[in-house]
Amino acid sequence: AQKVTQAQTEISVVEKEDVTLDCVYETRDTTYYLFWYKQPPSGELVFLIRRNSFDEQNEISGRYSWNFQKSTSSFNFTITASQVVDSAVYFCALTQTGGGNKLTFGTGTQLKVEL
Amino acid sequence: GAVVSQHPSRVICKSGTSVKIECRSLDFQATTMFWYRQFPKQSLMLMATSNEGSKATYEQGVEKDKFLINHASLTLSTLTVTSAHPEDSSFYICSARSFRDLTQETQYFGPGTRLLVL
Repeated sequence: AQKVTQAQTEISVVEKEDVTLDCVYETRDTTYYLFWYKQPPSGELVFLIRRNSFDEQNEISGRYSWNFQKSTSSFNFTITASQVVDSAVYFCALTQTGGGNKLTFGTGTQLKVEL
Repeated sequence: GAVVSQHPSRVICKSGTSVKIECRSLDFQATTMFWYRQFPKQSLMLMATSNEGSKATYEQGVEKDKFLINHASLTLSTLTVTSAHPEDSSFYICSARSFRDLTQETQYFGPGTRLLVL
């Protein structure tokens, strides 16, 4: 069975601070995909990144960066110089290849960025 | 690209009525669509997987006669909540997987539908 753990329920930071959202996963599959989605108050899930299990390169996209560590089964997400617009719930998710492509979501981390 | 729409965005209905929610992939063909339910401050719960032209696959504990899913084309899936009751009030979100995205496994999500049953 697959499992995604986001231990941080809620994080509050002041604008311009850096913040890291943790994600730890469990799977028996050797081939899988990891995702991060952002859910702002409007409710729509916004796709942020996909990473496959064979690609451990870290990725940076503007103020966002992701650290994939297969050895510790972690896929952490860092926002640099946070902004109020970053306030949202962030979900980490995992899917195996094939098998119906079901996504297993973590419980989400509520990020609040204050002025 | 990869835009998914849902209609309606919000619906209020009386107990006992049926409500239909539409999910459309606007700029891509979706062989597979997924329906999720989300309660306040909780994660998404997968209800069913819908493949075009075939019957939906429901997750354990989800009543297929209560939540009717139809995926009649590569761009449209519908979820009908039959004989809705207050406990069905929730946020329903659909997602779609691109026909061309067979190796990428990415689901793109709609904006969600807030259902309130009085």
